[in-house]
Amino acid sequence: EPEVTQTPSHQVTQMGQEVILRCVPISNHLYFYWYRQILGQKVEFLVSFYNNEISEKSEIFDDQFSVERPDGSNFTLKIRSTKLEDSAMYFCASSVRDRSGNTIYFGEGSWLTVV
Amino acid sequence: AQTVTQSQPEMSVQEAETVTLSCTYDTSESDYYLFWYKQPPSRQMILVIRQEAYKQQNATENRFSVNFQKAAKSFSLKISDSQLGDAAMYFCAYRRISGGGADGLTFGKGTHLIIQP
Repeated sequence: EPEVTQTPSHQVTQMGQEVILRCVPISNHLYFYWYRQILGQKVEFLVSFYNNEISEKSEIFDDQFSVERPDGSNFTLKIRSTKLEDSAMYFCASSVRDRSGNTIYFGEGSWLTVV
Repeated sequence: AQTVTQSQPEMSVQEAETVTLSCTYDTSESDYYLFWYKQPPSRQMILVIRQEAYKQQNATENRFSVNFQKAAKSFSLKISDSQLGDAAMYFCAYRRISGGGADGLTFGKGTHLIIQP
């Protein structure tokens, strides 16, 4: 069964450093998402992306964050200058098309630790 | 804004028995979708079941079924014949039907399900 893959599975970074989290969505999917889960808390929506541009973003997704689809397969989340509170599990997800009932498939997550 | 509430931080059930996890939500929309996701210790988010709000019939997937009460804005998950592999965090999620953008899921805080052997 096709799946969303994410790299790295775990990254430790110094506060203030830039981090790029990478994702390969399911190949025929058109909508891509990033979610965040701080340890012990609920999963929070960050951003959705379609047709090479951001479709929706939450208030969490401020100027420190950016997303990009640099080629036909990868989808990246960049955090420009990491803060301690950015420590979380970051989930990439994808879905087939923009009917909200379409199932969103999640990757296994990238655990980011900012020290 | 939509909110999703899971009032049970933790539930425990004996193996082979039935357990129900509760979820309520608040929305002014009439059409939307509801989901239950499972997050095992590996932390991957796995879809368990989904329900379209316009359907009156409750969704069922093998041992998993929902009790969808639209007027009460309630969406509970029933797990029958609980198995050790069902032990996980369960998240209820809401997604409105969007006109153009790709709306994200709104999640509840989760219920930690423990299966007693």
